[in-house]
Amino acid sequence: QQQVKQSPQSLIVQKGGISIINCAYENTAFDYFPWYQQFPGKGPALLIAIRPDVSEKKEGRFTISFNKSAKQFSLHIMDSQPGDSATYFCAASRNYGQNFVFGPGTRLSVLP
Amino acid sequence: SQTIHQWPATLVQPVGSPLSLECTVEGTSNPNLYWYRQAAGRGLQLLFYSVGIGQISSEVPQNLSASRPQDRQFILSSKKLLLSDSGFYLCAWMPFANTEAFFGQGTRLTVV
Repeated sequence: QQQVKQSPQSLIVQKGGISIINCAYENTAFDYFPWYQQFPGKGPALLIAIRPDVSEKKEGRFTISFNKSAKQFSLHIMDSQPGDSATYFCAASRNYGQNFVFGPGTRLSVLP
Repeated sequence: SQTIHQWPATLVQPVGSPLSLECTVEGTSNPNLYWYRQAAGRGLQLLFYSVGIGQISSEVPQNLSASRPQDRQFILSSKKLLLSDSGFYLCAWMPFANTEAFFGQGTRLTVV
């Protein structure tokens, strides 16, 4: 119930391509779904987040798509750049919950 | 603005030695505070969280402990380190539940 599944484990994309990372959850009480980006040797930083009252949120080249009925959400990176190479974590939390449940992470490599 | 400080950045300790990692947050009051551990190439494992001074919740039983002696200070300790304690330790804070988490830069701990 508390688990968030994430795929793929690793992803290699050519520069200019689209990177897609998928996550799935079980707990219907979750109502906040952030994505974090982590560069090697650094702490994760919030990239973009969505709440279930909308099905899509876009910020620049980054888009979250949210499917409440399927209990799935995904991150799309358009026009992927070598600087996007990092590990991406999806997460979920619930109102009155004190912590996040993180997915296992996806290591993205964007080739120049 | 709020900032989070975590030190030291790297640490090499022998098996059986004690551990003390410190995290402080500036520019906010009564934050939720968190300690995570990240094994090499792995996801984020929540170790402890605190919603107030002296209030500690443990997520994973182990030989680590946490304390919150002041509102914006969170300390991770061990009396005797094990080889399996090696990893990347991250402190994080959240203004309140179900919002963005802000991570420190992490401490790379190697137990030899």
